[in-house]
Amino acid sequence: QSALTQPASVSGSPGQSITISCTGTSSDVGAYNYVSWYQQHPNKAPKLMIYDVSNRPSGVSNRFSASKSGNTASLTISGLQAEDEADYYCSSYTSSGTRVFGGGTKLTVL
Amino acid sequence: EVQLVESGGGLVQPGGSLRLSCAASGFTFGSHWMHWVRQAPGKGLVWVSRINSDGTSTIYADSVKGRFTISRDNAKNTLYLQMNSLRAEDTALYYCTRNWGSAAFDFWGQGTMVTVSS
Repeated sequence: QSALTQPASVSGSPGQSITISCTGTSSDVGAYNYVSWYQQHPNKAPKLMIYDVSNRPSGVSNRFSASKSGNTASLTISGLQAEDEADYYCSSYTSSGTRVFGGGTKLTVL
Repeated sequence: EVQLVESGGGLVQPGGSLRLSCAASGFTFGSHWMHWVRQAPGKGLVWVSRINSDGTSTIYADSVKGRFTISRDNAKNTLYLQMNSLRAEDTALYYCTRNWGSAAFDFWGQGTMVTVSS
């Protein structure tokens, strides 16, 4: 049950786009279209941003998009805004029926 | 409005036990799988355990298997996590979260802090 691999940090200027990667294995990310993404602001609970690889829950901005290729999933945030500054986590279903999170990526809006 | 409110955290000595509770409201609790997820101070999210809607199926992360037990009382709309043989590395904020769709977590509580220290 090793954590999925995410970059520790990414940054971008307002209006720009950034992409956060999430690399797993053929037993989790690569095996199922069950990758989800979460946004967490300091001292707040996580918020679901993307489910089933690329679907946005109601109320989530369409500036957030995601995809998957092989064992790597990606989250893209376009038109960066100050309020996007937060930690982002990916998660996947695994072949053993458990769930696994990525280590988290700190997004800094310059 | 969906609400998940955790309680039961606190300071416990290594080897001790604690039972966490999560009171659910605003949705049909008995229709949803539920999970516990934890976050050590300054660290990332770690999945802990899942229980199905009627409590007949449970699964655990290797790090807690044999020490933690997830359960639920659908009549009381409450999720539990019994934690035994606690270790320093179990120190974390414990979140209760609702399973949504195939494998996402759509609602989260605010968490309850567990500190394992002598």
